[in-house]
Amino acid sequence: QSVLTQPASVSGSPGQSITISCTGSSDDVGYYNYVSWYQQHPGKAPKLLIYDVSNRPSGVSSRFSGSKSGNTASLTISGLQAEDEADYYCNSYTSISTYVFGTGTKVTVL
Amino acid sequence: EVQLVQSGPEMKKPGESLRISCQGSAYSFNKYLINWVRQMPERGLEWLGRIAPSDSYTNYSPSIQGHATISVDKSTSTVYLQWNSVQASDTAIYYCATEREYDTLTGYHNWFDSWGQGALVTVSS
Repeated sequence: QSVLTQPASVSGSPGQSITISCTGSSDDVGYYNYVSWYQQHPGKAPKLLIYDVSNRPSGVSSRFSGSKSGNTASLTISGLQAEDEADYYCNSYTSISTYVFGTGTKVTVL
Repeated sequence: EVQLVQSGPEMKKPGESLRISCQGSAYSFNKYLINWVRQMPERGLEWLGRIAPSDSYTNYSPSIQGHATISVDKSTSTVYLQWNSVQASDTAIYYCATEREYDTLTGYHNWFDSWGQGALVTVSS
């Protein structure tokens, strides 16, 4: 079972916008609109940021947004802040009723 | 607020058996599946499998199928991940996470909304 491909690292200055891509296949990202995104700070458990491609749970900042086109999903962080420095993972439900995570992206705030 | 409390760190030798746990509270236990996710040292997240407490339905990632088992004890709202024989490659932090079951009003919920604190498993001779 393949993992979803994300860039290893993305960086930006405070206030800027950055986008993290998540590329899968027609058996996962492209199969359903069941893509979610998670933020993980060092030593902490992951936290849900986005579900069903573009929905934010209650309490998550509107600076986080998600989208999808074909087999690639994206997470955009607008108005980058120091507290956004963390690892980010995408996740997709698959055509065989399993889940697969992305490789993870380290976001650095310059 | 959903709470998941995991068992403590474990240190095992290769070939030993191991069971780690995840106890849920403050929610209707039968209405959420429990997923297990591992994170090997300095690596990313990997989905291992899940169980539905309502009917004990399980499904596993091919990477762990046959090597570990997920089970549930509804009387204590606890889900387990266990191995008969651990290997050095099982060294990782293991997280449990909830996934709400399908219901006719709100549909499918294919995401992980609440997470346990993680349990470090170290396998070394």
